[in-house]
Amino acid sequence: AQSVTQPDIHITVSEGASLELRCNYSYGATPYLFWYVQSPGQGLQLLLKYFSGDTLVQGIKGFEAEFKRSQSSFNLRKPSVHWSDAAEYFCAVGARTNAGKSTFGDGTTLTVKP
Amino acid sequence: DGGITQSPKYLFRKEGQNVTLSCEQNLNHDAMYWYRQDPGQGLRLIYYSQIVNDFQKGDIAEGYSVSREKKESFPLTVTSAQKNPTAFYLCASSRTGTGSEKLFFGSGTQLSVL
Repeated sequence: AQSVTQPDIHITVSEGASLELRCNYSYGATPYLFWYVQSPGQGLQLLLKYFSGDTLVQGIKGFEAEFKRSQSSFNLRKPSVHWSDAAEYFCAVGARTNAGKSTFGDGTTLTVKP
Repeated sequence: DGGITQSPKYLFRKEGQNVTLSCEQNLNHDAMYWYRQDPGQGLRLIYYSQIVNDFQKGDIAEGYSVSREKKESFPLTVTSAQKNPTAFYLCASSRTGTGSEKLFFGSGTQLSVL
């Protein structure tokens, strides 16, 4: 069975500092991996996704993520955080047969200090 | 603008009452999904539909029902059998149901029990 772990429940960074959000997954084959962002009281928006090929993927809003098969990780990074990045971030591993049966992590809440 | 519309934004349920959450999409997507989100947790799949007039149970379908009579609409009914219905409900869609597809989310409905 597939699973996703986001080890950090809450992270606080200063505006302008770099960010890394961790995600570890368990999946029997090459996974489909996603990062979504959720603002309070809103739905989720896709930041980026990985299916195959280049292990460093670029997303929207200046985010990137690196797939490391040996570590079963798909960490999200941003070189310089903006106050508007404060939100909850979800990592998800996709079921190959059904887009909706992705398994989501419990989320990491990002707070940005001025 | 294309997207997913969920209504109402807030909903209150009395004991023994059934309530229906609306989800409409104008993206011409084949697949639609309902998720439940509880504080501090990831999304859990309630029901999904990959084609009109067909739907399947997700991981937590007990106490819920759905219909998919039209491609653009996928309403969710929370029945009186659902003993703990207080949660944030998210509707999503994807172009097809395959695992590589990006999910598009509505802005959610917060359901509370009176």
